[in-house]
Amino acid sequence: GNSVTQMEGPVTLSEEAFLTINCTYTATGYPSLFWYVQYPGEGLQLLLKATKADDKGSNKGFEATYRKETTSFHLEKGSVQVSDSAVYFCALSRHQAGTALIFGKGTTLSVSS
Amino acid sequence: GAVVSQHPSRVICKSGTSVKIECRSLDFQATTMFWYRQFPKQSLMLMATSNEGSKATYEQGVEKDKFLINHASLTLSTLTVTSAHPEDSSFYICSATVTSGRNNEQFFGPGTRLTVL
Repeated sequence: GNSVTQMEGPVTLSEEAFLTINCTYTATGYPSLFWYVQYPGEGLQLLLKATKADDKGSNKGFEATYRKETTSFHLEKGSVQVSDSAVYFCALSRHQAGTALIFGKGTTLSVSS
Repeated sequence: GAVVSQHPSRVICKSGTSVKIECRSLDFQATTMFWYRQFPKQSLMLMATSNEGSKATYEQGVEKDKFLINHASLTLSTLTVTSAHPEDSSFYICSATVTSGRNNEQFFGPGTRLTVL
């Protein structure tokens, strides 16, 4: 079946450090891939997405590239800020209309100044 | 982007009572809405898929008689937790999907934190 595996957290970084959160997936066909962010006490917000192989999603300095050959969608940011502290979820969705997202377990990022 | 609201944002109730949570798509029509549940420090687990005008489809292990879902219109779905117990305390999140061709983007509500005493 379809599944998403994220690296275990928490990830603790100093401000301006480089961030990588690994995400790999298992799916039939060619799913869309997403990164969502959840700030403390809030709901999920879409951070970025990619809908086909080799697409790069980017937003707010975060990037992730859809790698079909390695079934990966790793999240990266060159210089994190304290305000990036949150929980990050990798997710996939089949293109079939009306199907739910499948989420990874989430990775907590804590950035200190 | 599309906006999804949930009401209430927080609710505290006594054990044995029922609680209704509303999920609304504010500026678009959603043929499908999803209800997720999130336990502390864990991922979102899909509870059910709600299609307008038809019965909801529940995931394995989710009691349909306990978690009643009604998708009355293209902009409103409700989740009622019946006879709530402390173990039902959780963060409930809905999402609504706009389906167009290959696009299956979902928009999430801000969530409802339920605490059952």
